[in-house]
Amino acid sequence: DAGVIQSPRHEVTEMGQEVTLRCKPISGHDYLFWYRQTMMRGLELLIYFNNNVPIDDSGMPEDRFSAKMPNASFSTLKIQPSEPRDSAVYFCASRRTGGGQYFGPGTRLLVL
Amino acid sequence: AQSVAQPEDQVNVAEGNPLTVKCTYSVSGNPYLFWYVQYPNRGLQFLLKYITGDNLVKGSYGFEAEFNKSQTSFHLKKPSALVSDSALYFCAVRDEGRGFKTIFGAGTRLFVKA
Repeated sequence: DAGVIQSPRHEVTEMGQEVTLRCKPISGHDYLFWYRQTMMRGLELLIYFNNNVPIDDSGMPEDRFSAKMPNASFSTLKIQPSEPRDSAVYFCASRRTGGGQYFGPGTRLLVL
Repeated sequence: AQSVAQPEDQVNVAEGNPLTVKCTYSVSGNPYLFWYVQYPNRGLQFLLKYITGDNLVKGSYGFEAEFNKSQTSFHLKKPSALVSDSALYFCAVRDEGRGFKTIFGAGTRLFVKA
């Protein structure tokens, strides 16, 4: 299995632009998570899905952030408009019920 | 509410010596406990988990963890540290009976000196 796949691996954009991060979970995993990691705040859970349905989005910072999971093999995290304080590494992770999470390599986002 | 604490920001150990990275947790129900490792510029990697059964859990790369219900702890251990074990280690807990969110600790940075 290829593991969790994220794209792009790196993104540099200017403040105000729209950013879309993509994730392909491991086949057969029924949970998908989006995290953000910074030096200041550590690892933060943004949102997670179960069977493609958003379960808890209480970690989403504000309305500029949105996430979708149109099917079991694809999810997006969108930031519109982006701000410099959104600069972070964004991780996608997936797991089966009862199992541990498997993380993707992350997308390193820099908003100038 | 569930929570997890890693009391040490950093652990230093000499290569060949045993290492311990500490973790304590709080959940209302039965805990699912996990350890993850993160190498520089990489995502977190799953090391091991405890759900039920034997209190000593063995995982990847020679790591093991001991579940102690009375002390609500789940310390990560390795009998003989390697320089390549130097990384950031995260403890995590999930109260499987109260939702599906996994709570991660703040992380402990392990330095192994040659």
